[in-house]
Formats: sequence, C-alpha cells, structure tokens
Amino acid sequence: GEDVEQSLFLSVREGDSSVINCTYTDSSSTYLYWYKQEPGAGLQLLTYIFSNMDMKQDQRLTVLLNKKDKHLSLRIADTQTGDSAIYFCAEITPRVNYGQNFVFGPGTRLSVLP
Amino acid sequence: DSGVTQTPKHLITATGQRVTLRCSPRSGDLSVYWYQQSLDQGLQFLIQYYNGEERAKGNILERFSAQQFPDLHSELNLSSLELGDSALYFCASSSSSEQYFGPGTRLTVT
Repeated sequence: GEDVEQSLFLSVREGDSSVINCTYTDSSSTYLYWYKQEPGAGLQLLTYIFSNMDMKQDQRLTVLLNKKDKHLSLRIADTQTGDSAIYFCAEITPRVNYGQNFVFGPGTRLSVLP
Repeated sequence: DSGVTQTPKHLITATGQRVTLRCSPRSGDLSVYWYQQSLDQGLQFLIQYYNGEERAKGNILERFSAQQFPDLHSELNLSSLELGDSALYFCASSSSSEQYFGPGTRLTVT
C-alpha cells in the first residue's frame, strides 16, 4: 500500500539549516514532492525530484533522495522566519487502471526561532 | 498565485444543510482533485476528475459528490452536513506530474 510518513514538528534557530525528513513505502513512485503551507493558505509546490535522481538543488532548497531506503529529505539553508510553515512530502505513483495517484504525508510544522 | 481558483473562500452553514464548493483549474489542466484538510485527519484525498470523468475515489463520504463540467470547472457538493465536516476543502489541478492547489474553501458547520 501507499504510505508517506513525516515527523510532525521541527524547531530551528534563524540562520541555521533545517532538515525535514520523509519516508514512503511505494517503490513505484515516479516523482516526490515538497509542498509548503503557510497559515490560512493553500499548498504551494516548492520543488520535486524525479525518482531516478539522488539530489536536486534550487537556491536555498536541497532535496536528497535515497531510493534504497525510500527516504526523502528537504534541507533549507539559512532558515528565515518566513520559512515557518507546514511542509508536506508527497509522492506520485501510477494507478493500476489509469493515471496517477498523489499521496501526501501528514506534514511537518517548522517553527523558526529568532 | 497557482492559477487555481476556488469559491467561496469561507462558508458558514448549519447542520443538515447542503453546500456547493466551486473550483476552476489552471488553464489547460484537465485533472481536478478535491482534498479535505481537518486538524485531526490531515490532508485527505476525496476524488479526482479527468476531462469530465471520475478517475479515482479516496475517502469521500456518500453524502459528498462531485462533478467536472465541459468547461473543466468542478463542483463539490456536500449534503446533510455534520459538525465534523468543518474543514478546509482544497481543489488542485494538474496536467502531468505537477499538482497545483487553490487557496481553499473554509467550511464551518454550526
């Protein structure tokens, strides 16, 4: 079955790096995503990685994928107070009959302390 | 701005009532997904439509239904509302491997 797990809370000091971890179970995942949700807002697609990649860097964001362990991480360098939000890990897997299935983790609430 | 719009932003109604939430996908996107986000359940997938046809069902109650129209906008109908239906309802659209979310409709059932 499909399951995506994340730790629920993370606190870091402003200027430090944040690392948010995620594990998934479906080895047929084709893409893995990170979304950010600020209070009262919708989910914003931050970045994603194709399953045959190990790493993707996009400005302050680095995504690492360990396909053997089914582990995904999001590193935010120089974390700012504006990074405080809930971060969702998600995977996309092919459906048996047609199309694709998006499965989301429970979200990690990142608190950035001044 | 994701390009996905949802109306209304907020909705307050009483138990037993019926409401309709509306979603317009990004231009060119054929797939529309509906999600429910509540404090205790997290983000739950409800249903997906592709070019007017239902593609997949998730944890959607029988009291809830949805449809996608020829112009690709979608509506989620919630009936016989209960207090536990209070939540944020998100619509998302996609055309391939990326899914973009609307701002959500906050439903409060009193």
